[in-house]
Amino acid sequence: GGIITQTPKFLIGQEGQKLTLKCQQNFNHDTMYWYRQDSGKGLRLIYYSITENDLQKGDLSEGYDASREKKSSFSLTVTSAQKNEMAVFLCASSISDWGGDGQLYFGEGSKLTVL
Amino acid sequence: SQLAEENSWALSVHEGESVTVNCSYKTSITALQWYRQKSGKGPAQLILIRSNEREKRNGRLRATLDTSSQSSSLSITATRCEDTAVYFCASGTQVVGQLTFGRGTRLQVYA
Repeated sequence: GGIITQTPKFLIGQEGQKLTLKCQQNFNHDTMYWYRQDSGKGLRLIYYSITENDLQKGDLSEGYDASREKKSSFSLTVTSAQKNEMAVFLCASSISDWGGDGQLYFGEGSKLTVL
Repeated sequence: SQLAEENSWALSVHEGESVTVNCSYKTSITALQWYRQKSGKGPAQLILIRSNEREKRNGRLRATLDTSSQSSSLSITATRCEDTAVYFCASGTQVVGQLTFGRGTRLQVYA
């Protein structure tokens, strides 16, 4: 089995600050994802990457940047933190041969608080 | 807009009872997945049911899929306190990045 590790688990920042979340996976999966989870709104896709150095925007990419410099890691940057984006950010990975029936493996999440 | 949606915000049952979570989706799908998220953890897949399947079982869990009504259900029999969690359905197409999650149903199982 493998594991997805997200750091930090809790991140507190000031409004307007640039903040970065990191994710590491040892499944050897090609595809990685960042989701945002707000209470009552389910999971919404921010960015995903199908291979090293590839980046694809999801529905919620505005205000975020992502970076995939290695196969095993995927970072997400909040470019200017706002109070209305306090949420839990979830990283996930999956096999590359998608076909619509792949399983996502999730990390435990990083909770962002903006003061 | 939500392309997958559970039909109940919250459910509560007593241990040993059965419970069903329903989900509706809005697009043609390749597969429908059910995930469970316990407090402080990431979601974990429970069952995947493909568009050409009508029912799938995994221990005490049973998922159904009705592509004509674009709906799915997840039933849990003989519930336990450790089944307390948020349950999500997720509809998927063949395109990577198009796995769409519903808002989730919060299930509380009481002793």
